[in-house]
Amino acid sequence: AQTVTQSQPEMSVQEAETVTLSCTYDTSESDYYLFWYKQPPSRQMILVIRQEAYKQQNATENRFSVNFQKAAKSFSLKISDSQLGDAAMYFCAYRSPSNFGNEKLTFGTGTRLTIIP
Amino acid sequence: DTGVSQNPRHKITKRGQNVTFRCDPISEHNRLYWYRQTLGQGPEFLTYFQNEAQLEKSRLLSDRFSAERPKGSFSTLEIQRTEQGDSAMYLCASGSRPSGELFFGEGSRLTVL
Repeated sequence: AQTVTQSQPEMSVQEAETVTLSCTYDTSESDYYLFWYKQPPSRQMILVIRQEAYKQQNATENRFSVNFQKAAKSFSLKISDSQLGDAAMYFCAYRSPSNFGNEKLTFGTGTRLTIIP
Repeated sequence: DTGVSQNPRHKITKRGQNVTFRCDPISEHNRLYWYRQTLGQGPEFLTYFQNEAQLEKSRLLSDRFSAERPKGSFSTLEIQRTEQGDSAMYLCASGSRPSGELFFGEGSRLTVL
């Protein structure tokens, strides 16, 4: 079974600075997807960024980028120019290729990000 | 609002009572998931529907849990004879195509006294 590990329960960063959230995973599969989700307090989880394992290029979405190291099974999220609205719980998630169309996600335990004004 | 809707948002019940949660996915989405999230943990997969067919159930889903998706539209998750260990946030998510994005609802928080 796949596992996802987030070793940083909490992180904080000054507004406008850069922060990196860590994620490692364990899998024997070669084809999979990785995601970072953001869960603000009392709000729904939203997708921040995704990475297909077959792509060597790291995904980027505006101020969010990842460092995907497939051999090391590492998938970190970098947030540049941090804003107050970035404060949330961030979850790293792994998704296997489709099984009966089921693309269930395996989540890590999350990292709570605090933005310091 | 055309997002995933979950009701009720909060439910407090006494041990041994039955509870039911409802999820209304985004209308054109044929894939629907239920996840459970306990304090300090990430969401854990419970069950998956493609249209009205329940195609996979986690071992976390004991016999006291049942989920349905009649006509492939909304879904219900029922917990019978609730236990304190059932206290959690129950999340619903929907998607429309393989490898597509999943959209989550705000969740239904269950507290069992």
